[in-house]
Amino acid sequence: EIVLTQSPGTLSLSPGERATLSCRASETISSRYLAWYQQRPGQSPRLLIYSASVRATGIPDRFSGSGSGTDFTLTISRLEPEDFAVYYCQQYVSSPLTFGGGTKVDIK
Amino acid sequence: EVQLVESGGGLVKPGGSLRLSCEASEFTFSVFSMDWVRQAPGKGLEWVSSISSTSNHIFYADSVKGRFTISRDNSKNSVYLQMNSLRAEDTAVYYCARESPHFPSGWNDLDFWGQGTLVTVSS
Repeated sequence: EIVLTQSPGTLSLSPGERATLSCRASETISSRYLAWYQQRPGQSPRLLIYSASVRATGIPDRFSGSGSGTDFTLTISRLEPEDFAVYYCQQYVSSPLTFGGGTKVDIK
Repeated sequence: EVQLVESGGGLVKPGGSLRLSCEASEFTFSVFSMDWVRQAPGKGLEWVSSISSTSNHIFYADSVKGRFTISRDNSKNSVYLQMNSLRAEDTAVYYCARESPHFPSGWNDLDFWGQGTLVTVSS
C-alpha cells in the first residue's frame, strides 16, 4: 500500500498570502496518478488538480500543482476567503487507492 | 450538471447490514467507473471500493473486503454498496464518486462526488 504523508497538518495564514502544501509518497509514483482535493466545512470533497499539475474544470489559476517521484506540492498563490479548507492528496496508481491525512488551511 | 445522490444511511447495530444506493444523472453512467469513499467523523478520507463500467473489475479496501459488496445497475444509473457484519469503525459519511474520463485506461481521479450519506454503527 502506498502511504501518502501530508505536511504540515495545519497551516495558519492570512487572506492574500501564499500557501504551500506538501504530499510525500512512500514510494515513487508517476505524476499521472496524483490528485488534490479541497473539502470545505460541511461539504463534499472537490477535485482541484489531477495528474499532479492539471487544474480540473473551473478551478481558478491561483491553484497549482507540481512535483514528481515521491514529492508533490499544491500551491495557492493568494489565499481567498473561500480557500480556507482541508486539502487532501490522493494516489491512484494501484489498489488500494489512498489519501493523505490532509492539511487544514485556517485563518491566522 | 453531473449529480450523484446517495441514500440508505442510518443507524444500525454492530453485526447488522445496510445497503447504500447512489443514483447518477446528467451523464452517461454506463461508461464510467464508480467508487465509494468514506469519512469517519472528524477524520480524513478513506477509499472503500471501486467498480468498472461493466462490473468486470471490482476492488475493495482491506478493511471492508469480505464484508462489503459493490454492484451497479446501468439500466437504473445506480451504484450500490451492500454492507454486512458492520462494526463501530465503519461509522462514517459514505460518498459516491465518479472516476473521471481523463485517461481511457487505468485508474482515474474522482471528478464528481455526492453529498454523502451517514452510517452510524452503534448499539
